Amino acid sequence: AQSVTQLGSHVSVSEGALVLLRCNYSSSVPPYLFWYVQYPNQGLQLLLKYTTGATLVKGINGFEAEFKKSETSFHLTKPSAHMSDAAEYFCDVSFLNNDMRFGAGTRLTVKP
Amino acid sequence: KAGVTQTPRYLIKTRGQQVTLSCSPISGHRSVSWYQQTPGQGLQFLFEYFSETQRNKGNFPGRFSGRQFSNSRSEMNVSTLELGDSALYLCASSLDPGGVDYNEQFFGPGTRLTVL
Repeated sequence: AQSVTQLGSHVSVSEGALVLLRCNYSSSVPPYLFWYVQYPNQGLQLLLKYTTGATLVKGINGFEAEFKKSETSFHLTKPSAHMSDAAEYFCDVSFLNNDMRFGAGTRLTVKP
Repeated sequence: KAGVTQTPRYLIKTRGQQVTLSCSPISGHRSVSWYQQTPGQGLQFLFEYFSETQRNKGNFPGRFSGRQFSNSRSEMNVSTLELGDSALYLCASSLDPGGVDYNEQFFGPGTRLTVL
């Protein structure tokens, strides 16, 4: 069965530090890949997406992610964390058969 | 363009009751998906509707059902509520996921259901 794994349910970084949120999936079928962010008491908002083309994609708020097919990964990064980045982040891996899977989510805490 | 709206935002029910949640997608979006979000289970896919037809279904019991109307608005129904059904129910709309140009999902703010 296809699955999505987000390593680390909680990640804590200091303000200004690198943010790295990990996402791996299990499938031999090329997927569509998304990262969403959820702020408290809100729905999910798209950060960035990969469908085809360049494997390094840039999103909103300074986030970017790189699709590595050989590693079946789509890790989310941001060079310098800001207090406003504190939220929950979800990796979404969608396959051609519409069998969509979200990761369990990673809660990011940013310390001053 | 108005975003995805969900009503009601908050709901309190007791065990055994049934509940209906509503979702209005972004204008022009024909696909509506429903998710259940709980602290323990994360975000779980319930079902997806496209052009009034259920196209995909997650692994939930038959107590959870949904439908989509000709204007793409969707409702989900949970019958015989259990304590474990307490969750945030999220609705997402998109033009047509699964098409050649995959379109991302646009989420509503959710309906927070509490079952007592």
